[in-house]
Amino acid sequence: GENVEQHPSTLSVQEGDSAVIKCTYSDSASNYFPWYKQELGKRPQLIIDIRSNVGEKKDQRIAVTLNKTAKHFSLHITETQPEDSAVYFCAASWGSGNTPLVFGKGTRLSVIA
Amino acid sequence: DVKVTQSSRYLVKRTGEKVFLECVQDMDHENMFWYRQDPGLGLRLIYFSYDVKMKEKGDIPEGYSVSREKKERFSLILESASTNQTSMYLCASRLHRGQGQRRGYTFGSGTRLTVV
Repeated sequence: GENVEQHPSTLSVQEGDSAVIKCTYSDSASNYFPWYKQELGKRPQLIIDIRSNVGEKKDQRIAVTLNKTAKHFSLHITETQPEDSAVYFCAASWGSGNTPLVFGKGTRLSVIA
Repeated sequence: DVKVTQSSRYLVKRTGEKVFLECVQDMDHENMFWYRQDPGLGLRLIYFSYDVKMKEKGDIPEGYSVSREKKERFSLILESASTNQTSMYLCASRLHRGQGQRRGYTFGSGTRLTVV
């Protein structure tokens, strides 16, 4: 089955700097890659996703890139702010809508003011 | 907005008790999932259901069972609670779509279960 590795497990950046979180996946059939943000004590929320027919997607300060050949995808956050501090999870799935997501173990991002 | 509601935010149960965790969604989603979240281990899939009365084992089903008698409700059952089942339990739902469509989850707020 699918396996998703996520790095780093913790990341500290100065406010205003960029943050990059990387994930690799094992199943070349995977075709959907969402990212979730979980603030302390709250539920994970979808922040951006990308499908395998797209190489990059941006939404304001957040971008995701996908390299299908290398089987890795990354989350980029620019101009970080304290409210970006959270745990971020990447995930992957393949096939039809019934297939569950497989999650990475998460990255705890701390933005230092 | 889709709402996924978990019946309890915090639960404390004794070893050996039978425990029911309830999850209800209000947007007619076909797919529902139960994950447990532990520090350093991320979200691990326990069971999922792609439609009413259907259920599939996830990666860590041992010690758990599920029930999906109605489309909106997906229950997780701990047959005989043990201390290693102390965890945060997250329910999620998703509208089934064909390939190429958005397939993100909506999560519930979670139930923090402590087994003593």
